[in-house]
Amino acid sequence: AQTVTQSQPEMSVQEAETVTLSCTYDTSESDYYLFWYKQPPSRQMILVIRQEAYKQQNATENRFSVNFQKAAKSFSLKISDSQLGDAAMYFCASTGANSKLTFGKGITLSVRP
Amino acid sequence: EADIYQTPRYLVIGTGKKITLECSQTMGHDKMYWYQQDPGMELHLIHYSYGVNSTEKGDLSSESTVSRIRTEHFPLTLESARPSHTSQYLCASSRPTGMTQYFGPGTRLTVL
Repeated sequence: AQTVTQSQPEMSVQEAETVTLSCTYDTSESDYYLFWYKQPPSRQMILVIRQEAYKQQNATENRFSVNFQKAAKSFSLKISDSQLGDAAMYFCASTGANSKLTFGKGITLSVRP
Repeated sequence: EADIYQTPRYLVIGTGKKITLECSQTMGHDKMYWYQQDPGMELHLIHYSYGVNSTEKGDLSSESTVSRIRTEHFPLTLESARPSHTSQYLCASSRPTGMTQYFGPGTRLTVL
């Protein structure tokens, strides 16, 4: 079984600044994947970034990067140069061999102009 | 990335009605999923399918049913809708050997 915990319900960041969203997980599987998804208000859930657990190198996608600490079971998302369009609900999720996603409760990110 | 479609986007119906939420994808993905997203925004897996004629119940118990007669189509049916079914329903799909799921736009269901 897998669990994903996002303990911060909401965060705020100033436009152009950097923000880090926290996530911890627990799994009994040796091979698993971790994801961050973004869900803007009334819009489609989209993939932000993914990390394969067997890879030591942290994934990056343009302004988005992760800090994957496998021993600590931590998977935080860093958003650099925050933009107004980054305002959304962000979900951390994990999946194992059965490919079923387990989601955290999500965090609402607001961006102040 | 998958093209995945859901209809209707919004639905308001009365108690006791039978409804079907449609989900289709054009990428030939074998795996498809239905999630229920409650007002607190938490997502729960309610059904999944790994291919034609394969359907399984997810982690959250649901009174809905699903079918998978064609690879591209994964409809969800409620035989008798109730106010407790009011929620957003998200459909997703993934490649046979892929772990990344791609989501449709969702159907927001309101049962009066």
